Amino acid sequence: SYELTQPLSVSVALGQTARITCGGNNIGNKNVHWYQQKPGQAPVLVIYRDSNRPSGIPEQFSGSNSGNTATLTISRAQVGDEADYYCQVWDGNTAWVFGGGTKLTVL
Amino acid sequence: QVQLQESGPGLVKPSETLSLTCTVSGGSITSSSYYWVWIRQPPGKGLEWIGRIYYSGGTYYNPSLKSRVTMSVDTSKNKFFLTLSSVTAADTAMYYCARSTIFPYYFDYWGQGTLVTVSS
Repeated sequence: SYELTQPLSVSVALGQTARITCGGNNIGNKNVHWYQQKPGQAPVLVIYRDSNRPSGIPEQFSGSNSGNTATLTISRAQVGDEADYYCQVWDGNTAWVFGGGTKLTVL
Repeated sequence: QVQLQESGPGLVKPSETLSLTCTVSGGSITSSSYYWVWIRQPPGKGLEWIGRIYYSGGTYYNPSLKSRVTMSVDTSKNKFFLTLSSVTAADTAMYYCARSTIFPYYFDYWGQGTLVTVSS
């Protein structure tokens, strides 16, 4: 089965750029989607198809995907961006696959 | 704006059956462009998809849960349902219903979630 690997935690200084990675075998050949989950809330889609932002998601969120790593980039990080972030792909057959999640801390 | 709302008992006894309903509003469950999905999240842990159903009733379940899961849909009421049998403490989780696009398979709308605790 296909697996996605995310760092458990990422820290970023206030106002700086955070990068959260999602590793998978030839993930660059897949569509990667990213979700933000704040404590006590449902996940929210922030990036779909590698680099597209849904309506209402700020431009500070961006994504890229190449080779074996997809990256979610959060520019000008704010305290309000503290959350768990999950990457997700379709395994090409029948299953949705989630990464284990990354906790973002803004210092 | 599509909205999804889970409902069902918050407490289920071990070995019994968990039953949840997801009510969809602001859009039709009969759209041919989407799957309707159940996802769960144990406390402090990550996301796990349970199964999906198409408006016509076609289903596919996570192989790890397949023997215990049944999903169904009522298009007249714009609802879909989950049952999970023979529950144990390991089934304690927040249960979400969500809508997935059909290719490239991302979840664009989620319910707020309902916490189900398995305990005697």
